[in-house]
Amino acid sequence: AQSVTQLGSHVSVSEGALVLLRCNYSSSVPPYLFWYVQYPNQGLQLLLKYTTGATLVKGINGFEAEFKKSETSFHLTKPSAHMSDAAEYFCAVSDRGTGKLIFGQGTELSVKP
Amino acid sequence: GAVVSQHPSRVICKSGTSVKIECRSLDFQATTMFWYRQFPKQSLMLMATSNEGSKATYEQGVEKDKFLINHASLTLSTLTVTSAHPEDSSFYICSASHFREARNEQFFGPGTRLTVL
Repeated sequence: AQSVTQLGSHVSVSEGALVLLRCNYSSSVPPYLFWYVQYPNQGLQLLLKYTTGATLVKGINGFEAEFKKSETSFHLTKPSAHMSDAAEYFCAVSDRGTGKLIFGQGTELSVKP
Repeated sequence: GAVVSQHPSRVICKSGTSVKIECRSLDFQATTMFWYRQFPKQSLMLMATSNEGSKATYEQGVEKDKFLINHASLTLSTLTVTSAHPEDSSFYICSASHFREARNEQFFGPGTRLTVL
């Protein structure tokens, strides 16, 4: 069975600092991996995804993530945090057969001025 | 990117009544739609998967007679919460996917906040 673990339910950074949100997955087959962002009372917006090919994936709003098979990780980074990045972030792995997404528990990112 | 809408965005109803939530894919044909429930400060919990023209597949622990899902066309799925009770109050989110074209990517609607009094 596939699973996702996000380390840290809450991360706080200062504006301009590096953002690092951690995600580890478990999958018996090559995974499809996703990062989504959710603002209060809204749906989920796709930040980036890894399916095949290049392991460093660039997404929207300056975010990127690197698929590391040896570490079963897909950590999300952004070089310089902005106040508008404050939100809830979800890492997910997809079941290729059913298309179901298995979500991590989420990480709330706070950005201090 | 693909756009998914939900209607209504907010609904308040009395206990015992039924509420219908619509999920539409506006610019693509969704072979599959998913319905999630989200409690405050928690992750999304998958309730059911619906494929166009067939019965929905419910996750373990989800009452199919209480949460009726219909996926009558490639652009519309509905979730009906029957005989709603206060414990059904939650944020309901749908997503839509076209497997062959999107490599399992799901496009999410904006969510519906249900409050049962």
